[in-house]
Order: sequence, then structure tokens, then C-alpha cells
Amino acid sequence: QKEVEQDPGPLSVPEGAIVSLNCTYSNSAFQYFMWYRQYSRKGPELLMYTYSSGNKEDGRFTAQVDKSSKYISLFIRDSQPSDSATYLCAMSGSGSGGYNKLIFGAGTRLAVHP
Amino acid sequence: NAGVTQTPKFQVLKTGQSMTLQCAQDMNHEYMSWYRQDPGMGLRLIHYSVGAGITDQGEVPNGYNVSRSTTEDFPLRLLSAAPSQTSVYFCASSYSTQYEQYFGPGTRLTVT
Repeated sequence: QKEVEQDPGPLSVPEGAIVSLNCTYSNSAFQYFMWYRQYSRKGPELLMYTYSSGNKEDGRFTAQVDKSSKYISLFIRDSQPSDSATYLCAMSGSGSGGYNKLIFGAGTRLAVHP
Repeated sequence: NAGVTQTPKFQVLKTGQSMTLQCAQDMNHEYMSWYRQDPGMGLRLIHYSVGAGITDQGEVPNGYNVSRSTTEDFPLRLLSAAPSQTSVYFCASSYSTQYEQYFGPGTRLTVT
């Protein structure tokens, strides 16, 4: 079983829809949770960053972490065609490998059509 | 700032050949890492370094070597290329994994 599970999609939504992207994980030592966005044939770029549990909002994006359920989410409000990309969750924490190892999910491919 | 640069952008190797993927950053980051990205697998950590002279293994280190003689450079060496190493390789740097990692544009490697 992978440490981080993420549905690869693809997910296709109309412009303006609310998008929900999710990851589950098995390592309870993870404390740092991130979402990266990757456009086709480009390197990933950091979108959201959360420490421990709770919510974080940045414009149209909201990241949620539920450590009791080992579940993290990224919500995109009023989705735009420019949001079409692959979204990767990533996390790190204490335990084997420690903070120096960032573990990624497989990525979810999102397409927002006009 | 150029950020993180990687060369080459594309490479085709024959089985058994060796090569070095270059990575450089100009942000004075201590932490650098190499990932490979395969369809359906996400990014998997190959090797990482927390500073000049210090390297350690990631999830999938077999068949790869690294060294870190300067803060700026972190080359990845394939000792004897195998078709299973066909992938897209990304180099990244940051102050630490608790902070944003900046990724290079990637190297697309095909081993025939």
C-alpha cells in the first residue's frame, strides 16, 4: 500500500464549478501538507501549504487537513480553464525518512471546460 | 535569478550507457533533491542532499548516484541505463522540505 493515495482522475468540470481534490495517507507522523500544481510538460509549483490540521484559504483555493481521518482536500471555487492542470498532494513529517523526504501522491488531472 | 535549471531537456540512451543529468540553482538553497515522474506514480524521490557534502537515499535510489560538492550543483548519474529508467526527471531545491520546493523544467529520458 502506498503511503499517500490520490485518485488520478481525470476530472472534467464546467467553468465556474467547485472542484474537490483529495488525498488519503497512512503515516500518522506527517505534519506538513502541500498541494502542487503542474501544467503539462512543466515542473510542479507550490499552490498551498498547511502545517498540521485545519483550513487555509488563498483566493479561490482552500486546503483542509483532517489528521484524525488522515485525509486532506483542496477546494477550487469558481474554477477557470486556466486551472486545468495536474494537482499533486505532498507531505512530510517525523518518522522513517523524516522531514527531509517529501512524499507525493500520484496526482489528479483536472480539466475545466468553458 | 534563473531558479532551478536542468540539462539536457531531452535524452535518448541505449541500455548500458551512462550519463549525468545536470541540476543547478542560484537561490542559495541548502536542500536539493531528484525525483522521477512516471504515469500513475506521481513524483518519487531518488536522492536528496541537505547541504554540500551530504547526500542520502530516497524511495527509489537503485541505479543512480549523486554527489554535492557545491551548494549550487547537484548532478544525478545513471551508471548503466536500463529501460526501467525511462522517465521524466525533476530536480528541486528549497530551504528545507518544510518550505516551498522549487522545481526545474525536467529532463525527459528514454532508454532503449
